[in-house]
Amino acid sequence: DAGVTQSPTHLIKTRGQQVTLRCSPKSGHDTVSWYQQALGQGPQFIFQYYEEEERQRGNFPDRFSGHQFPNYSSELNVNALLLGDSALYLCASSLELREENTEAFFGQGTRLTVV
Amino acid sequence: AQTVTQSQPEMSVQEAETVTLSCTYDTSENNYYLFWYKQPPSRQMILVIRQEAYKQQNATENRFSVNFQKAAKSFSLKISDSQLGDTAMYFCAFRLGAQKLVFGQGTRLTINP
Repeated sequence: DAGVTQSPTHLIKTRGQQVTLRCSPKSGHDTVSWYQQALGQGPQFIFQYYEEEERQRGNFPDRFSGHQFPNYSSELNVNALLLGDSALYLCASSLELREENTEAFFGQGTRLTVV
Repeated sequence: AQTVTQSQPEMSVQEAETVTLSCTYDTSENNYYLFWYKQPPSRQMILVIRQEAYKQQNATENRFSVNFQKAAKSFSLKISDSQLGDTAMYFCAFRLGAQKLVFGQGTRLTINP
């Protein structure tokens, strides 16, 4: 059973560019959450997708957007990249059960470097 | 808003020793979940142990156990018979229902041979 897979693993972009990160959830999971982890910090919640809709959002600007597809996979898009967007981006999947979630399983992340 | 605080940025112990990582949190809610995640250099966040706030019994998973003090809003992780493979960043996290995970700043744990 494949776990959560993210692509690419590493990425280097220039300031002002746009980037798309991808996530395939663990088999059987229907909820995808994205987190940003700056170096030496704990992950910060960006947003969560369920049933192809953004259900919750953290304190991130509109430059951060996402999408969830019918097969539950998800994309994170960041426009107008800033140097401060350099971080590890983690995707986590879970299964919604009676308004609760099972444990979140994380992917290995995408290391984004903005130069 | 919920917050999670880990007051020990770094810890180091000898192999086979017991180590305790501290975590405190702030919430006005009564029902929630607490977690400890391990993040090795491979970067993947791995769930170590989970505690439901409505359960009085402390969770245990093999060498890992927690001391959950609900009134004090404290949730510490004890690792017994520590192994070299336990070397990693450890994050305490809080969750309400199906909502987001709120993480602490992490504790870097090093197990020395």
